[in-house]
Amino acid sequence: AQTVTQSQPEMSVQEAETVTLSCTYDTSENNYYLFWYKQPPSRQMILVIRQEAYKQQNATENRFSVNFQKAAKSFSLKISDSQLGDTAMYFCALSKGAQKLVFGQGTRLTINP
Amino acid sequence: DTGVSQDPRHKITKRGQNVTFRCDPISEHNRLYWYRQTLGQGPEFLTYFQNEAQLEKSRLLSDRFSAERPKGSFSTLEIQRTEQGDSAMYLCASSSNDYSNQPQHFGDGTRLSIL
Repeated sequence: AQTVTQSQPEMSVQEAETVTLSCTYDTSENNYYLFWYKQPPSRQMILVIRQEAYKQQNATENRFSVNFQKAAKSFSLKISDSQLGDTAMYFCALSKGAQKLVFGQGTRLTINP
Repeated sequence: DTGVSQDPRHKITKRGQNVTFRCDPISEHNRLYWYRQTLGQGPEFLTYFQNEAQLEKSRLLSDRFSAERPKGSFSTLEIQRTEQGDSAMYLCASSSNDYSNQPQHFGDGTRLSIL
């Protein structure tokens, strides 16, 4: 079975600061994909960033980057220069190929002005 | 790309009634997924389709739940004899099944409230 654990239920930082959200996972697969999704209040889930497990290089999308540690089964998200619009629930998720996503419990991130 | 569309956005019904939700995926996507999300939790997988074939069903999907995708386009999720525990957000997502493993795109969801 695949599992995803997010150990930080809530985080809060000041605007323009850098914040790191933690995620650990467990899978017996060798080829899999990891994702961070963002769900703003009362709005739809949108993809922030994804990582293929076979790639050693950490993915980066503008202010968002990941630290992927395959041996440790860790997949953290770093948000640089945080903005008010980054306030949302963030979910870490895992999938084997184009199949179902297994989500963590989420981290509620608040960016304060 | 008009996005994944779900209807209705909200559904309030009495316990014991049947409800049906609809999902229209992004037009070129052949994979369609249903998830259930309760308050403060991450979404849980229910079922998914590739074209019209239902490839996997979660054990969460009791015999009161049924999903269809008759022509490989839109999908419906029906819950029969609703119970209080069915109150949740029901999310639909779609993706294309190409070699590059395109990510899933989500709709706004249907929020179900059981009185």
